[in-house]
Amino acid sequence: GAGVSQSPSNKVTEKGKDVELRCDPISGHTALYWYRQRLGQGLEFLIYFQGNSAPDKSGLPSDRFSAERTGESVSTLTIQRTQQEDSAVYLCASSLAAGRGRSPLHFGNGTRLTVT
Amino acid sequence: GESVGLHLPTLSVQEGDNSIINCAYSNSASDYFIWYKQESGKGPQFIIDIRSNMDKRQGQRVTVLLNKTVKHLSLQIAATQPGDSAVYFCAENGGYSTLTFGKGTMLLVSP
Repeated sequence: GAGVSQSPSNKVTEKGKDVELRCDPISGHTALYWYRQRLGQGLEFLIYFQGNSAPDKSGLPSDRFSAERTGESVSTLTIQRTQQEDSAVYLCASSLAAGRGRSPLHFGNGTRLTVT
Repeated sequence: GESVGLHLPTLSVQEGDNSIINCAYSNSASDYFIWYKQESGKGPQFIIDIRSNMDKRQGQRVTVLLNKTVKHLSLQIAATQPGDSAVYFCAENGGYSTLTFGKGTMLLVSP
């Protein structure tokens, strides 16, 4: 597609429920990132996928958070037993593999998660 | 100006003025820096990047300056327009494959 696509754009869920967020990266981009952005804050790194390598999960805040990626395409971020502090915008980005941290990340418009 | 870890500052300018947004970074291992623009309800949009072997890079109406000695990055926007109103983030790679973002500076442009 033309850009990174995320769905849903908004999600309201009750505390304790599980949610699944989806990201479709730019075709040909083998690197995929998830970030979290709390209101009025910067972006907090969550997880990074690069091709078939083991993902870098160093940013996941707890074991309630997990992510998967199918090949070099779609990724899903799952939050289990959601808490109110999970409320944020979850942003997905992709980039060219060759950059290895030296090429721009292209972001989707995010999923705004509200936990009530 | 902005530093990774500080509260969101705001810069207010008049249309047509030049704007300068500042960013201090802390990781001396960073060799790649990016400026992003984020409008309300949207994801960050790439503006311009610079590698550590350069100290200046120009784009359309934008210039990024890098001072590695004092770990300082700035974004200059020429002839600022109302459409430039947004939050601007600097990001550094810290020598890794991921980017670390500052908390951003809000730019408000008055017509």
